[in-house]
Amino acid sequence: DIVMTQSPDSLAVSLGERATINCKSSQSVLYSSNNKNYLAWYQQKPGQPPKLLIYWASTRESGVPDRFGGSGSGTDFTLTISSLQAEDVAVYYCQQYYTTPFTFGPGTKVDIK
Amino acid sequence: EVQLVESGGGLVQPGGSLRLSCSASEFTFSSYAMHWVRQAPGKGLEYVSAISGNGVSTYYADSVKGRFTISRDNSKNMLYLQMSSLRAEDTAVYYCVKSRGFYDYWGQGTLVTVSS
Repeated sequence: DIVMTQSPDSLAVSLGERATINCKSSQSVLYSSNNKNYLAWYQQKPGQPPKLLIYWASTRESGVPDRFGGSGSGTDFTLTISSLQAEDVAVYYCQQYYTTPFTFGPGTKVDIK
Repeated sequence: EVQLVESGGGLVQPGGSLRLSCSASEFTFSSYAMHWVRQAPGKGLEYVSAISGNGVSTYYADSVKGRFTISRDNSKNMLYLQMSSLRAEDTAVYYCVKSRGFYDYWGQGTLVTVSS
């Protein structure tokens, strides 16, 4: 199984400041035949199901604010919230869908400082 | 708008069985793989099982293999998870998810509690 790790476990950022979350996979999730990274990011608020933010490592889902951005390739990925808003307080998960089982990272909790 | 509505959760004793259902609407159900993902209280997300659009191919996490069975009825737009030999560690919210590889739609989840 591909093991996903995330750092940090949690972070607190001032409103309007940048938040950066890192995700690492134990093997590459870049599929060479189509040059796509099989990596997604989700946001989960308390009492709610996760919500898709980013797929193919950097493609923003429809309706997701453009302050959310994804980058990276191969085994190292980053989710950036360029200007943190109060409604962004949540736990963020990365997930690889390169091969079954589609494994998730342990999550990063984002709070307001 | 795509809707996924789970049902069938509840309290069950260790060793017992439960069948979860997921009703899907507002998309061509048979065209998509469907997955079950669970989340233990206060914990992260765990892939449980998957089934292809035509129901021919199925996948299971090692933690549930041999105990859980995923199935679907494309004529009714329904997804199922038959769970048997349940253990305390199966206690979780179970989400039905629509898969494009990534999970673009999630249900609200149904809570399964395994306890005596």
